Parts: sequence; structure tokens; C-alpha cells
Amino acid sequence: GQQLNQSPQSMFIQEGEDVSMNCTSSSIFNTWLWYKQDPGEGPVLLIALYKAGELTSNGRLTAQFGITRKDSFLNISASIPSDVGIYFCAGQFWGSGTYKYIFGTGTRLKVLA
Amino acid sequence: SAVISQKPSRDICQRGTSLTIQCQVDSQVTMMFWYRQQPGQSLTLIATANQGSEATYESGFVIDKFPISRPNLTFSTLTVSNMSPEDSSIYLCSVEAQQAGELFFGEGSRLTVL
Repeated sequence: GQQLNQSPQSMFIQEGEDVSMNCTSSSIFNTWLWYKQDPGEGPVLLIALYKAGELTSNGRLTAQFGITRKDSFLNISASIPSDVGIYFCAGQFWGSGTYKYIFGTGTRLKVLA
Repeated sequence: SAVISQKPSRDICQRGTSLTIQCQVDSQVTMMFWYRQQPGQSLTLIATANQGSEATYESGFVIDKFPISRPNLTFSTLTVSNMSPEDSSIYLCSVEAQQAGELFFGEGSRLTVL
């Protein structure tokens, strides 16, 4: 089945630094999504990408849909303490009678003030 | 986006009992999904809740253990049956917005099974 490998698994960075994380798969996805999850809450959608090669920004966040449709990355610029949390990528897949969203393994981000 | 309300938000249950989680959406949606998130883990899709028909389950999840209802386009329930400590997880309801390719989540229901 479809699997999304996300890296790094965790990272500690200094406030003000830029952060980069990525998601790869052996399967092709039609849409890539990036989420942030804070403790005790559901994931919150940050960015959605719909076309191969698409580059989209949301404030300090920038994400790209890989040309092969098998990967995506998320960059966070000038990190701040409230960026701490777990970031998940998700790929939307349809085919063979199925339609679903699969989630990556997550990147746990800690920001040191 | 959509506003998704889940109940209960958390519960402590005894082994062997069953619990039903409710998911209410503030607008009609076509696609509703149920996910499980075990402690410290990612989200795993349990099933797609289909309105008016049986849910579509992912590999490793069966209807007898996780029966799902979807009586209309704004409401769904997930039951966790005959619970064991291994079922201790966060269960999340999600819906696809009017624009396909955007998935939104409720706050989740945190279940602890003793």
C-alpha cells in the first residue's frame, strides 16, 4: 500500500533559524497537504498543493509539490517558539476504486529560544 | 473549511466494553474519514464513512471491531467494540471540504482503556 516517509523524524533548532522537512513515497499522489498538530488537538491544515511543481507560501511557510508527484517539502523561515509541534505531510490518492488520504510519519520540531 | 465537533473529547473505559464516538459537521460533506492516532504515532486511516452504505475499511480494520454509521451528510459515529488496552488512542474524525483536496479534522477523542 501507499506509504509516506517523512524526514527528519525530529529536530531541535534555534529561534530565527530556517527549517526544512520533506516527505517521499514510492507512490504517486494527486494532492499533497501539510499539517501541524499541537498537543491535545487535531491536526491543522497549513498548506495544500494540487499540481506537480507547484510552489505555495503561507506566511513564513513554503511548500512544494515534487515534479514526480512522489515527494513534497515544507520550509519554515525565521522560526519562532510557537512553531513547536509535530508536522505531518499527507498525500491524497484515488484509483482502483479507492479515495483516501495517507499521512507521513511526522516531524517533531522543537525551537530553542 | 468546516467546523467538526467530536464527542466525547476523552474517556476512560474498562476492558471489554464498547464506546461510540460521535462526529458532527456544520455543513454537508461528501467524504468523511475516521483515523486512529496511537501514542506518539502518526495518523492511520481506519475507514471511509459512506453516506447510506457500509463503510470502506482499510487493511487491518474490520467492521465487527469498528462499526461505523453515516446516516446523513453531516453526522457519523465510530464505535470501538470490546475494547482492550491496545485500543487506547486518539480517534479523529475528518472531512473533505467543498474543494476536494482539503481535509479538516475535529479535536479528536482520546480513549484510555484500563
